[in-house]
Amino acid sequence: AQSVTQLDSQVPVFEEAPVELRCNYSSSVSVYLFWYVQYPNQGLQLLLKYLSGSTLVKGINGFEAEFNKSQTSFHLRKPSVHISDTAEYFCAVSEIQGFQKLVFGTGTRLLVSP
Amino acid sequence: NAGVMQNPRHLVRRRGQEARLRCSPVKGHSHVYWYRQLPEEGLKFMVYLQKENIIDESGMPKERFSAEFPKEGPSILRIQQVVRGDSAAYFCASSPSQAGNQPQHFGDGTRLSIL
Repeated sequence: AQSVTQLDSQVPVFEEAPVELRCNYSSSVSVYLFWYVQYPNQGLQLLLKYLSGSTLVKGINGFEAEFNKSQTSFHLRKPSVHISDTAEYFCAVSEIQGFQKLVFGTGTRLLVSP
Repeated sequence: NAGVMQNPRHLVRRRGQEARLRCSPVKGHSHVYWYRQLPEEGLKFMVYLQKENIIDESGMPKERFSAEFPKEGPSILRIQQVVRGDSAAYFCASSPSQAGNQPQHFGDGTRLSIL
């Protein structure tokens, strides 16, 4: 079984500041890793995914994440945030073998203020 | 809009009534997943279906909940005799295959409120 931990339930930050949203996972098998964003009253939108290869993954809206196998982490970063980045961010994993049953963390609310 | 369509967006039911949530996947996608999001929590997997088959329902409560994905028409998540604890957002996602590297496309969800 897999589990995902997002330690920060809320991250306040000022506009144009850098941000890092932390994600750690636990799994006895190899997994794919994902970051999704959820705007209010909407579904989840894929930001980026790590499948294999380079451990630094670039996604949409200027976000990137780095897979660290030894620390079982997949932290999300953005060098300069905008007000429009205010949303809930979810880290998720799924087993490489078998069907894609996503296991989500509890989410981190990013609050960007002027 | 060729994305995942869920309806209704909001559904209000009284305790004991039935709730039916519908999901039309992305055109060409034959794999559907249902997730439930309780307030202040992440999404939890409920069930995975392919056309006319339930593949994995390990996340479904044992009673009152059922899901189907018929040959024609949308996938349906059905909750019988609803209780207050069923209040949540229910999300449907679809993918073109079951491969783990195929990202799931999510609908905007149905927010179920139980009076």
